[in-house]
Amino acid sequence: AQKITQTQPGMFVQEKEAVTLDCTYDTSDPSYGLFWYKQPSSGEMIFLIYQGSYDQQNATEGRYSLNFQKARKSANLVISASQLGDSAMYFCAMRERGGATNKLIFGTGTLLAVQP
Amino acid sequence: GAVVSQHPSWVICKSGTSVKIECRSLDFQATTMFWYRQFPKQSLMLMATSNEGSKATYEQGVEKDKFLINHASLTLSTLTVTSAHPEDSSFYICSASQVGQMLAKNIQYFGAGTRLSVL
Repeated sequence: AQKITQTQPGMFVQEKEAVTLDCTYDTSDPSYGLFWYKQPSSGEMIFLIYQGSYDQQNATEGRYSLNFQKARKSANLVISASQLGDSAMYFCAMRERGGATNKLIFGTGTLLAVQP
Repeated sequence: GAVVSQHPSWVICKSGTSVKIECRSLDFQATTMFWYRQFPKQSLMLMATSNEGSKATYEQGVEKDKFLINHASLTLSTLTVTSAHPEDSSFYICSASQVGQMLAKNIQYFGAGTRLSVL
């Protein structure tokens, strides 16, 4: 069965510094997708970045990059130059392409607090 | 692009009444919509998968008669909490994925969520 693990319940980071949020996953499907979402206190889930299992390069989207280490089954999110507005819950999620549905499995999340 | 609107954002109702939550994809057609429930400080729990024109697929442990889902068009899905009770109080959030995207990369775009309080 597929599983997503986020071991950091909460983290502090100083404004303008970089931060890495950890995510490990487990799946038997060779084809899968990995996602990161941000959930501010207002509640909406904001899509940040996607990494496909066959992608050769690590995904990047502005200040977000995904450190994808397939052999170690990890997909850590790196936020560069943290801003106060980055304070939020961050969820890692995975979908198996071989599944019959388009379901996502979410990790338990990491609460990031950016300090001025 | 890829905006999902969810309404209402907050609803308070009396125990025993029914509440309807709407989820609309505003600028794309959604083959599939998903309904999640989230308890405070916890992750999202998938309740059901809604496909346009067919019956929803519910996750194990989710009562079909309690949480009625209708996906009548490619841009609208509704969740009705029937005979709501205080234990149904939660944050409900929907997502939609776009028609035609490659399945593995098929991004789910989320609504802003609905906070339900049953008194």
